Amino acid sequence: GAGVSQSPSNKVTEKGKDVELRCDPISGHTALYWYRQSLGQGLEFLIYFQGNSAPDKSGLPSDRFSAERTGGSVSTLTIQRTQQEDSAVYLCASSRLGTNEAFFGQGTRLTVV
Amino acid sequence: EDKVVQSPLSLVVHEGDTVTLNCSYEVTNFRSLLWYKQEKKAPTFLFMLTSSGIEKKSGRLSSILDKKELFSILNITATQTGDSAIYLCAVGPDKLIFGTGTRLQVFP
Repeated sequence: GAGVSQSPSNKVTEKGKDVELRCDPISGHTALYWYRQSLGQGLEFLIYFQGNSAPDKSGLPSDRFSAERTGGSVSTLTIQRTQQEDSAVYLCASSRLGTNEAFFGQGTRLTVV
Repeated sequence: EDKVVQSPLSLVVHEGDTVTLNCSYEVTNFRSLLWYKQEKKAPTFLFMLTSSGIEKKSGRLSSILDKKELFSILNITATQTGDSAIYLCAVGPDKLIFGTGTRLQVFP
């Protein structure tokens, strides 16, 4: 595609429910990143995929968070048993092999009520 | 632990002023430093720097990297109200580590 696509753009969920956020990277980009940005804060690293290598999950804040990337393309970030502190904008980015020049999607704004 | 620190946290200027934004870093296996502009949700790419002393320039924006002192600066000359945004610095070998950003406000 022309750019990184994320869906949904907004999601309101009740505390305790599970949510899935989707990211469709730029075609041909081997690296995919997930970040979280709380109101007024910087970008918090969550997880990084590079090709077929094992993902770097060092930023996932708890075992309620998981992510997978199927076929080296689309990625899904899953948050189980959501809590109010999970409310944030979740941003996905992708880049080509050998460069850090990452391009971001428009993000998913998650609100847990 | 990898770390990226930006300063100042916030800056308020008038149109026409020149501003300098700072980014210092500590990271193992440095490969590149990137600057992004964030106005709404998605950060947009400005520059990627990999070598010391080589200035990257785009219109009124320019940036340079010092790998010995581990910092970079982003300069904006003749600021305009449209430059108002959060400017983010990121460093990585692989995953990108972001600073907290500098919020720039440009008033007419």
